[in-house]
Amino acid sequence: KAGVTQTPRYLIKTRGQQVTLSCSPISGHRSVSWYQQTPGQGLQFLFEYFSETQRNKGNFPGRFSGRQFSNSRSEMNVSTLELGDSALYLCASSLGNTGKPEYEQYFGPGTRLTVT
Amino acid sequence: AQSVTQLDSHVSVSEGTPVLLRCNYSSSYSPSLFWYVQHPNKGLQLLLKYTSAATLVKGINGFEAEFKKSETSFHLTKPSAHMSDAAEYFCVVSTSGTYKYIFGTGTRLKVLA
Repeated sequence: KAGVTQTPRYLIKTRGQQVTLSCSPISGHRSVSWYQQTPGQGLQFLFEYFSETQRNKGNFPGRFSGRQFSNSRSEMNVSTLELGDSALYLCASSLGNTGKPEYEQYFGPGTRLTVT
Repeated sequence: AQSVTQLDSHVSVSEGTPVLLRCNYSSSYSPSLFWYVQHPNKGLQLLLKYTSAATLVKGINGFEAEFKKSETSFHLTKPSAHMSDAAEYFCVVSTSGTYKYIFGTGTRLKVLA
């Protein structure tokens, strides 16, 4: 099975711009989660989608949004970029059918976003 | 509320000596616990998971972890470190119905030749 793929892998944007990141989960996985990883804050949960519905979200401003499509692919969008949004954005997929915690998440390689 | 505390931000060991990475958790309900490893410029790879079955969990690459409810701990161990084990390790807790992982702050493992 192919793993979780994320595109693009690297991105450079300017403050004030917006960006869209894409994630394709492992085939058969319907849950997609997004995380932001920075040296200062570590790995922080952004949101989780299952069957096109957001089931949980972290403590991020409304500039961060996401969606999931019927084929389980997901996108996240960041509007009005700030310097502090520079980070590695990781996507993870899992079976996640019933919210049982034992379903492990499989992570993609991440998208490295640099805001200048 | 859930939380994870990784007690050491950096650990250094010599090649061939045991590895111990410490993790304490807090969870209102029976948690699932995971250890992930992240090599430089790579995504996260699952090492092992605990899901209320056996308390001693064996994972990949010779790693194992023991769930101790009385101590709320889930420490990661390996009998003999290899140079390729040098990476950052994350302890993770998840609780039914929350649909999210809570990550520890990570422990960077350095293996000395």
